[in-house]
Amino acid sequence: QVQLVESGGGVVQPGRSLKLSCGASGFSFSTYMMNWVRQAPGRGLEWVALISYDGSDKSYADSVKGRFTISRDNSKNTLYLQMSSLRVEDTAVYYCAREDLVVVPAVTNTFDYWGQGSLVTVSS
Amino acid sequence: DIQMTQSPSSLSASVGDRVTINCRASQRIRSSLNWYQQKPGKAPKLLIYAASSLQSEVPSRFSGSGSGTDFTLTISSLQPEDFATYYCQQSFNTPYTFGQGTKLEIK
Repeated sequence: QVQLVESGGGVVQPGRSLKLSCGASGFSFSTYMMNWVRQAPGRGLEWVALISYDGSDKSYADSVKGRFTISRDNSKNTLYLQMSSLRVEDTAVYYCAREDLVVVPAVTNTFDYWGQGSLVTVSS
Repeated sequence: DIQMTQSPSSLSASVGDRVTINCRASQRIRSSLNWYQQKPGKAPKLLIYAASSLQSEVPSRFSGSGSGTDFTLTISSLQPEDFATYYCQQSFNTPYTFGQGTKLEIK
């Protein structure tokens, strides 16, 4: 069965860096786009970043552009999020999510599987 | 960026009720609209994709409709396990955006 397991979260001071990992199993990792989505405490869902199958294309939310870097290692079935210059407002649970391209009944993309989440707390 | 606006933000209902949650996009997004359910402390779960298609193993009491800018999630007969927060999300283009959520509570 499909499994996504995040790791690497913790408490970090503002301005410091942290790297999250997401280990994937139960599917052909290299054939799916992958995303990071976050949720601040008591708040809604915010898309963070997307990476293509082979890592050649990446897209970021404006709120993290220039500070966060998404990457993947298909040989290790692992997705990463390198977070730098962290701010208090980056405090959230970070989820990795698999993106599936659906063509019937219409072409669209979905987040069909999610990890359990990894809590990042930015605090002095 | 495409803004997604859900209504209501919260809703109280009883087991067996029929419930409707609305989602409006700030521009036309064809049928590129998904619905997710999230329970406290858990990851979101995909319920409906492409506005009206039921994800595998999701009960048939859930349904979705709409296209363009206005979309609806309907639960035909609420069950105890349906009390949760629901989010719409557009996948028409990046940045992908979510509605603010609708919290469905027990009356």
